[in-house]
Amino acid sequence: DGGITQSPKYLFRKEGQNVTLSCEQNLNHDAMYWYRQDPGQGLRLIYYSQIVNDFQKGDIAEGYSVSREKKESFPLTVTSAQKNPTAFYLCASSIATSGTYEQYFGPGTRLTVT
Amino acid sequence: ILNVEQSPQSLHVQEGDSTNFTCSFPSSNFYALHWYRWETAKSPEALFVMTLNGDEKKKGQISATLNTKEGYSYLYIKGSQPEDSATYLCAFITNRDDKIIFGKGTRLHILP
Repeated sequence: DGGITQSPKYLFRKEGQNVTLSCEQNLNHDAMYWYRQDPGQGLRLIYYSQIVNDFQKGDIAEGYSVSREKKESFPLTVTSAQKNPTAFYLCASSIATSGTYEQYFGPGTRLTVT
Repeated sequence: ILNVEQSPQSLHVQEGDSTNFTCSFPSSNFYALHWYRWETAKSPEALFVMTLNGDEKKKGQISATLNTKEGYSYLYIKGSQPEDSATYLCAFITNRDDKIIFGKGTRLHILP
């Protein structure tokens, strides 16, 4: 079955530690995205990548870093510089060349930093 | 800063009643408008992808309209069922940098 996997589902970290969230897709999609959701907020775009070895900042990229070394994988690192890292993180992919950018979402990772 | 507004924020509807809600987006640099349904404990799933002014899409009892000139889209649900309870998100895609901007969603509760 094709899809997007995110692991783990729940992640707990101590303040000051970097943490990397995994996102893998086997849909052969070109583009991948990271979103963050906080209570009462919509999905806010952190980073996106339209092609391997290239990525762009979204609206709230500060304190985050990404890499896109393989088409299937787009890991997100939440660094200690991110002031409010506790949130629900969603990864998505889309067929960039089709033109619609319809998002296919993973199940999400809930990160709690104490 | 591009903004996408959805209203109302939350809605309670009696089972069997029809309802609708709104997504407002910038009327310039339009590329596409998406509607997603996000049920509790699941991932958001696309309902409609709309690209042309005047577009109307329908899936079962759910339909959507698009007005790109004035920057709004309506989502209609006819004869609400309990399984329609979800958060409905709209997303605006610009033709300037392919960025995707989501609204905060409309949380729909269907009352039995």
